[in-house]
Amino acid sequence: DIVLTQSPVLAVSLGQRATISCRASQSVSISSINLMHWYQQKPGQQPKLLIYRASNLASGIPARFSGSGSGTDFTLTIDPVQADDIAAYYCQQSRESPTFGSGTKLEIK
Amino acid sequence: EVQLVESGGGLVQPGRSLKLSCLASGFTFSNYGMNWIRQAPGKGLEWVASISSSSSYIYYADTVKGRFTISRDNAKNTLYLQMTSLRSEDTALYYCARGTGPLLWGQGVMVTVSS
Repeated sequence: DIVLTQSPVLAVSLGQRATISCRASQSVSISSINLMHWYQQKPGQQPKLLIYRASNLASGIPARFSGSGSGTDFTLTIDPVQADDIAAYYCQQSRESPTFGSGTKLEIK
Repeated sequence: EVQLVESGGGLVQPGRSLKLSCLASGFTFSNYGMNWIRQAPGKGLEWVASISSSSSYIYYADTVKGRFTISRDNAKNTLYLQMTSLRSEDTALYYCARGTGPLLWGQGVMVTVSS
């Protein structure tokens, strides 16, 4: 199984940039297609797709969210952070049967 | 509008069985692979099982292999998860999710395994 590692908590100030990382135990890229996706989950809600295939913004998602990375190292950036962005963020790979990172809780400093 | 609506959850005793359903609408169900994913209270997301669009390919997490069965009825636009020999550690919110890459999620259904 591909293990995805995320830091558990990230504290940032409103209006600043948040950078959430996800490291895979092996490459999740196939022929330059990066099979990594990012979700936001607020309490009591289902996960919502933010970024697909590492860097593509999902429909209806604000442009302050962006993604980057390839191979084993990926990043979700929120710039600038707003109060509504307080949530847990999960990465997920689809190179093999889906696995998820353990999630990063975004907190306000 | 794309919708996935799970049902069938509840409180069940250890060792008993339960069957979850997920009714899909707003898209051509038979064109998509589908998944069950669960989230224990206060915990992260755990993939449970996947099934291809025509049911040709089925995969399970090791934690449920031999106890859970995923299936689908494309004529009824419905995904199923038959759960047997339930354990306390199966207690979770179970999500139905569409896709084989990025996922689109239902709202989830709670399963509580307790005596």
